[in-house]
Amino acid sequence: EPEVTQTPSHQVTQMGQEVILRCVPISNHLYFYWYRQILGQKVEFLVSFYNNEISEKSEIFDDQFSVERPDGSNFTLKIRSTKLEDSAMYFCASRYRVSRANEKLFFGSGTQLSVL
Amino acid sequence: TQLLEQSPQFLSIQEGENLTVYCNSSSVFSSLQWYRQEPGEGPVLLVTVVTGGEVKKLKRLTFQFGDARKDSSLHITAAQPGDTGLYLCAGVSGGYQKVTFGTGTKLQVIP
Repeated sequence: EPEVTQTPSHQVTQMGQEVILRCVPISNHLYFYWYRQILGQKVEFLVSFYNNEISEKSEIFDDQFSVERPDGSNFTLKIRSTKLEDSAMYFCASRYRVSRANEKLFFGSGTQLSVL
Repeated sequence: TQLLEQSPQFLSIQEGENLTVYCNSSSVFSSLQWYRQEPGEGPVLLVTVVTGGEVKKLKRLTFQFGDARKDSSLHITAAQPGDTGLYLCAGVSGGYQKVTFGTGTKLQVIP
Protein backbone atom coordinates (compact mmCIF):
# COMPACT_ATOMS: atom_id res chain seq x y z
CA GLU A 1 0.00 0.00 0.00
CA PRO A 2 1.25 3.54 -0.73
CA GLU A 3 2.66 5.48 2.22
CA VAL A 4 2.91 9.02 3.51
CA THR A 5 6.51 9.63 4.55
CA GLN A 6 7.54 12.03 7.30
CA THR A 7 11.00 13.24 8.23
CA PRO A 8 12.61 13.46 10.66
CA SER A 9 11.03 10.89 12.96
CA HIS A 10 12.35 12.81 15.98
CA GLN A 11 13.28 16.47 16.26
CA VAL A 12 14.67 18.16 19.34
CA THR A 13 14.87 21.94 19.39
CA GLN A 14 15.39 24.82 21.77
CA MET A 15 12.51 27.08 22.70
CA GLY A 16 12.30 30.03 20.32
CA GLN A 17 13.93 28.18 17.41
CA GLU A 18 12.28 27.61 14.07
CA VAL A 19 11.52 24.06 12.97
CA ILE A 20 10.37 22.63 9.66
CA LEU A 21 8.63 19.26 9.61
CA ARG A 22 8.62 17.53 6.26
CA CYS A 23 6.14 15.22 4.64
CA VAL A 24 5.96 13.48 1.28
CA PRO A 25 2.28 12.71 0.62
CA ILE A 26 1.19 9.90 -1.68
CA SER A 27 2.01 10.99 -5.20
CA ASN A 28 -1.44 11.39 -6.78
CA HIS A 29 -3.11 12.84 -3.69
CA LEU A 30 -4.53 16.34 -3.81
CA TYR A 31 -5.62 17.12 -0.23
CA PHE A 32 -3.12 17.47 2.58
CA TYR A 33 -3.47 17.81 6.34
CA TRP A 34 -1.43 18.29 9.48
CA TYR A 35 -2.52 16.94 12.85
CA ARG A 36 -0.79 16.85 16.18
CA GLN A 37 -1.05 14.67 19.28
CA ILE A 38 0.29 15.84 22.61
CA LEU A 39 1.40 12.89 24.73
CA GLY A 40 -1.61 11.19 26.29
CA GLN A 41 -4.11 13.44 24.51
CA LYS A 42 -6.28 13.13 21.44
CA VAL A 43 -5.24 13.72 17.84
CA GLU A 44 -6.02 17.35 16.97
CA PHE A 45 -6.61 18.89 13.55
CA LEU A 46 -4.26 21.74 12.63
CA VAL A 47 -4.76 22.59 8.96
CA SER A 48 -5.97 21.34 5.61
CA PHE A 49 -4.38 22.36 2.30
CA TYR A 50 -5.62 22.10 -1.26
CA ASN A 51 -4.65 23.71 -4.55
CA ASN A 52 -1.70 25.49 -2.93
CA GLU A 53 -3.70 27.21 -0.25
CA ILE A 54 -5.05 26.62 3.22
CA SER A 55 -8.65 25.42 3.05
CA GLU A 56 -9.31 25.24 6.78
CA LYS A 57 -7.33 25.75 9.98
CA SER A 58 -7.97 25.28 13.67
CA GLU A 59 -7.50 27.78 16.47
CA ILE A 60 -4.24 26.01 17.30
CA PHE A 61 -2.82 27.02 13.90
CA ASP A 62 -1.88 30.60 14.80
CA ASP A 63 0.59 33.00 13.18
CA GLN A 64 3.53 30.91 14.40
CA PHE A 65 2.53 28.10 12.05
CA SER A 66 2.72 27.98 8.28
CA VAL A 67 2.44 25.30 5.62
CA GLU A 68 3.91 25.08 2.17
CA ARG A 69 4.08 22.74 -0.78
CA PRO A 70 7.31 24.06 -2.26
CA ASP A 71 7.97 21.63 -5.10
CA GLY A 72 4.91 19.52 -5.88
CA SER A 73 6.04 16.58 -3.79
CA ASN A 74 6.91 17.86 -0.32
CA PHE A 75 4.44 19.33 2.17
CA THR A 76 6.00 21.17 5.08
CA LEU A 77 4.86 22.54 8.42
CA LYS A 78 6.93 25.38 9.83
CA ILE A 79 6.79 26.58 13.40
CA ARG A 80 8.45 29.97 13.52
CA SER A 81 9.35 30.30 17.19
CA THR A 82 8.73 27.10 19.09
CA LYS A 83 7.22 27.04 22.57
CA LEU A 84 7.38 24.29 25.17
CA GLU A 85 3.73 23.51 24.54
CA ASP A 86 4.46 22.75 20.88
CA SER A 87 6.05 19.47 21.99
CA ALA A 88 3.92 16.78 20.39
CA MET A 89 3.77 14.13 17.69
CA TYR A 90 2.93 15.82 14.39
CA PHE A 91 1.16 13.75 11.75
CA CYS A 92 0.87 14.54 8.09
CA ALA A 93 -2.03 13.03 6.15
CA SER A 94 -3.22 13.01 2.56
CA ARG A 95 -6.11 11.81 0.46
CA TYR A 96 -6.83 11.69 -3.23
CA ARG A 97 -10.20 13.44 -3.24
CA VAL A 98 -12.99 14.54 -0.96
CA SER A 99 -15.97 13.91 -3.21
CA ARG A 100 -16.57 10.45 -1.77
CA ALA A 101 -17.34 10.13 1.93
CA ASN A 102 -15.34 6.96 2.35
CA GLU A 103 -12.23 8.16 0.55
CA LYS A 104 -9.39 6.98 2.73
CA LEU A 105 -7.18 9.40 4.64
CA PHE A 106 -3.60 8.12 4.86
CA PHE A 107 -1.44 9.14 7.82
CA GLY A 108 2.33 9.21 8.07
CA SER A 109 4.18 7.75 11.05
CA GLY A 110 4.67 11.18 12.57
CA THR A 111 7.48 13.45 13.74
CA GLN A 112 8.00 13.60 17.48
CA LEU A 113 8.91 17.21 18.27
CA SER A 114 10.50 17.94 21.63
CA VAL A 115 10.98 21.59 22.58
CA LEU A 116 13.44 22.13 25.43
CA THR B 1 -16.18 23.15 18.56
CA GLN B 2 -16.97 19.58 17.61
CA LEU B 3 -16.29 17.12 20.42
CA LEU B 4 -16.42 13.35 20.29
CA GLU B 5 -16.36 11.55 23.61
CA GLN B 6 -15.40 7.90 23.73
CA SER B 7 -16.14 5.46 26.49
CA PRO B 8 -14.58 3.70 28.14
CA GLN B 9 -11.19 5.43 28.09
CA PHE B 10 -9.39 2.24 29.09
CA LEU B 11 -10.45 -1.37 28.81
CA SER B 12 -8.54 -4.45 29.90
CA ILE B 13 -10.17 -7.78 29.14
CA GLN B 14 -9.31 -11.45 28.81
CA GLU B 15 -8.85 -13.11 25.45
CA GLY B 16 -12.16 -14.41 24.12
CA GLU B 17 -14.36 -11.79 25.78
CA ASN B 18 -16.61 -9.42 23.88
CA LEU B 19 -16.48 -5.64 24.23
CA THR B 20 -18.19 -2.49 22.99
CA VAL B 21 -16.68 0.97 22.65
CA TYR B 22 -18.96 3.99 22.35
CA CYS B 23 -18.45 7.29 20.58
CA ASN B 24 -20.83 10.19 21.26
CA SER B 25 -21.07 13.70 19.97
CA SER B 26 -23.48 16.61 20.07
CA SER B 27 -22.63 17.37 16.42
CA VAL B 28 -23.92 15.73 13.28
CA PHE B 29 -21.27 14.41 10.91
CA SER B 30 -21.47 13.53 7.24
CA SER B 31 -19.71 10.28 8.07
CA LEU B 32 -17.94 8.68 10.97
CA GLN B 33 -14.71 6.71 10.92
CA TRP B 34 -12.92 4.34 13.23
CA TYR B 35 -9.14 4.21 13.36
CA ARG B 36 -6.61 2.11 15.19
CA GLN B 37 -3.34 3.61 16.33
CA GLU B 38 -0.26 1.70 17.43
CA PRO B 39 2.41 3.37 19.63
CA GLY B 40 4.69 5.61 17.56
CA GLU B 41 2.53 5.29 14.46
CA GLY B 42 -0.17 7.31 12.77
CA PRO B 43 -3.84 6.30 12.91
CA VAL B 44 -4.90 3.66 10.39
CA LEU B 45 -8.44 3.71 9.05
CA LEU B 46 -10.56 0.67 9.87
CA VAL B 47 -13.95 1.68 8.51
CA THR B 48 -16.14 4.58 7.41
CA VAL B 49 -19.89 4.59 8.09
CA VAL B 50 -21.97 7.07 6.13
CA THR B 51 -25.68 6.39 6.50
CA GLY B 52 -27.60 6.77 9.77
CA GLY B 53 -28.24 3.31 11.19
CA GLU B 54 -25.57 1.73 9.02
CA VAL B 55 -23.83 -1.40 10.30
CA LYS B 56 -20.52 -2.63 8.90
CA LYS B 57 -18.63 -5.76 9.78
CA LEU B 58 -14.90 -6.32 9.51
CA LYS B 59 -14.22 -9.91 10.61
CA ARG B 60 -14.83 -9.85 14.40
CA LEU B 61 -15.41 -6.08 14.48
CA THR B 62 -18.90 -4.61 14.06
CA PHE B 63 -19.35 -0.88 13.59
CA GLN B 64 -22.66 0.94 13.88
CA PHE B 65 -23.58 4.55 13.04
CA GLY B 66 -26.42 6.02 15.07
CA ASP B 67 -29.67 6.95 13.36
CA ALA B 68 -29.06 10.66 14.02
CA ARG B 69 -25.45 10.41 12.76
CA LYS B 70 -24.06 11.76 16.03
CA ASP B 71 -22.86 8.56 17.66
CA SER B 72 -21.29 5.24 16.85
CA SER B 73 -20.21 2.01 18.45
CA LEU B 74 -17.52 -0.56 17.86
CA HIS B 75 -18.17 -4.11 19.03
CA ILE B 76 -15.41 -6.71 19.08
CA THR B 77 -16.38 -10.35 19.40
CA ALA B 78 -13.98 -12.87 20.97
CA ALA B 79 -11.16 -10.37 21.45
CA GLN B 80 -7.62 -11.49 20.62
CA PRO B 81 -4.30 -10.15 21.97
CA GLY B 82 -3.69 -8.77 18.50
CA ASP B 83 -6.66 -6.43 19.01
CA THR B 84 -4.69 -4.54 21.65
CA GLY B 85 -4.28 -0.89 20.70
CA LEU B 86 -5.77 2.59 20.76
CA TYR B 87 -9.13 2.87 18.99
CA LEU B 88 -10.19 6.29 17.77
CA CYS B 89 -13.52 7.36 16.41
CA ALA B 90 -13.52 10.39 14.14
CA GLY B 91 -16.25 12.56 12.67
CA VAL B 92 -15.93 13.83 9.11
CA SER B 93 -17.38 17.22 8.20
CA GLY B 94 -17.09 20.08 5.78
CA GLY B 95 -16.27 20.34 2.13
CA TYR B 96 -12.64 19.39 2.70
CA GLN B 97 -13.63 16.38 4.79
CA LYS B 98 -11.97 17.54 7.99
CA VAL B 99 -11.54 14.66 10.42
CA THR B 100 -12.15 15.41 14.10
CA PHE B 101 -10.89 12.70 16.40
CA GLY B 102 -12.47 11.38 19.55
CA THR B 103 -10.78 11.03 22.92
CA GLY B 104 -9.70 7.44 22.26
CA THR B 105 -10.14 4.06 23.93
CA LYS B 106 -7.06 2.12 24.95
CA LEU B 107 -7.77 -1.61 24.73
CA GLN B 108 -5.63 -4.32 26.27
CA VAL B 109 -6.46 -7.96 25.59
CA ILE B 110 -4.74 -10.31 28.00
CA PRO B 111 -3.85 -13.80 26.71
